[in-house]
Amino acid sequence: EDQVTQSPEALRLQEGESSSLNCSYTVSGLRGLFWYRQDPGKGPEFLFTLYSAGEEKEKERLKATLTKKESFLHITAPKPEDSATYLCAVTGSGNTGKLIFGQGTTLQVKP
Amino acid sequence: DAGITQSPRHKVTETGTPVTLRCHQTENHRYMYWYRQDPGHGLRLIHYSYGVKDTDKGEVSDGYSVSRSKTEDFLLTLESATSSQTSVYFCAISEYQGDYGYTFGSGTRLTVV
Repeated sequence: EDQVTQSPEALRLQEGESSSLNCSYTVSGLRGLFWYRQDPGKGPEFLFTLYSAGEEKEKERLKATLTKKESFLHITAPKPEDSATYLCAVTGSGNTGKLIFGQGTTLQVKP
Repeated sequence: DAGITQSPRHKVTETGTPVTLRCHQTENHRYMYWYRQDPGHGLRLIHYSYGVKDTDKGEVSDGYSVSRSKTEDFLLTLESATSSQTSVYFCAISEYQGDYGYTFGSGTRLTVV
């Protein structure tokens, strides 16, 4: 069964304090791993797609990496506006393009 | 997102009444999805559509039905609402089979009392 587990569930950082969010996955034939950002009361917003182990993508203070079993979302020198819930999702060859989501990590960055 | 609109944004309904949520897209994408989001469960797929009149069940489809008579509209119906269906419902669209991710709507917060 395809599964995605994110850790930690919640993370509190001081502004400028770098850290990483983890996404562990089990999927038959990974076709893509996705990171989304979700602000309260809004729909998830697309951040990155990673397709193969070793791939990395960057956007401002965020960097996503991928191995054969997990993905990391590294946040460098975060700012309060980075506070949000970050969702990880995968799609595999066995689920015809449907995304399977983890439960998310809620990040709070204090000034 | 400007290309996908959900309505209503908020709804309170009574147990046992039928409820229909609407998702409208202007992107002409083939694939449309309905998810629900609950604390402790994350986003779970209810139903999805891979074309006009082509739909299939997701992992939590019991108590829900869908219809897609036009490319741009995907309707989710709760035949007889129950308190366990209180949730936030998100519609999503994708041009391909989800390999490039989805675009999500802003959600509908449904409360069943």
